[in-house]
Amino acid sequence: DAMVIQNPRYQVTQFGKPVTLSCSQTLNHNVMYWYQQKSSQAPKLLFHYYDKDFNNEADTPDNFQSRRPNTSFCFLDIRSPGLGDAAMYLCATSKGTGSYEQYFGPGTRLTVT
Amino acid sequence: GIQVEQSPPDLILQEGANSTLRCNFSDSVNNLQWFHQNPWGQLINLFYIPSGTKQNGRLSATTVATERYSLLYISSSQTTDSGVYFCAVAGANFGNEKLTFGTGTRLTIIP
Repeated sequence: DAMVIQNPRYQVTQFGKPVTLSCSQTLNHNVMYWYQQKSSQAPKLLFHYYDKDFNNEADTPDNFQSRRPNTSFCFLDIRSPGLGDAAMYLCATSKGTGSYEQYFGPGTRLTVT
Repeated sequence: GIQVEQSPPDLILQEGANSTLRCNFSDSVNNLQWFHQNPWGQLINLFYIPSGTKQNGRLSATTVATERYSLLYISSSQTTDSGVYFCAVAGANFGNEKLTFGTGTRLTIIP
């Protein structure tokens, strides 16, 4: 089945230690998104790639960066994680932006110690 | 940006009961999705429904775009229906294209 895959499902990192989360898709979608979801809150968009074009949300901290080396893979890099970055990180894909349906992966739960 | 409100925030029901969840939005939309977030945190797509009515088993949804609201109906609730239900919309107007989530409805089904 075509799907969105995230690895790892659970990640523990130390305060200030860089961490990378991975997302891959077999849907061949043009757009890949990263969302952050903190406890008891709604998902919040961090940024997205449309093909190789990177689109950052205005309020996304500089500590968060992303790479998309090819159509299938997208990475979220947190350069210096703080305690406030502990959250569920959700990857999603869609054929296009706006009216196109988004499909989500299972998420990576990040703990910062 | 577009505003999305969901009600009720919390709902506790006995197994077998029916429920209606509401999503109000503040502007014209060209994307509206309903999701169920399971206990492990995954967002499961329930409906893509920017307008009209759809049904999938015990679940159905209706979006009245002209009146800016959508309803999710769950019939004969089961304990596996427990979780948080999110409505998310993308606006039809420039600057509103990203998917904006409501604050969710937490549904608890008691055996």
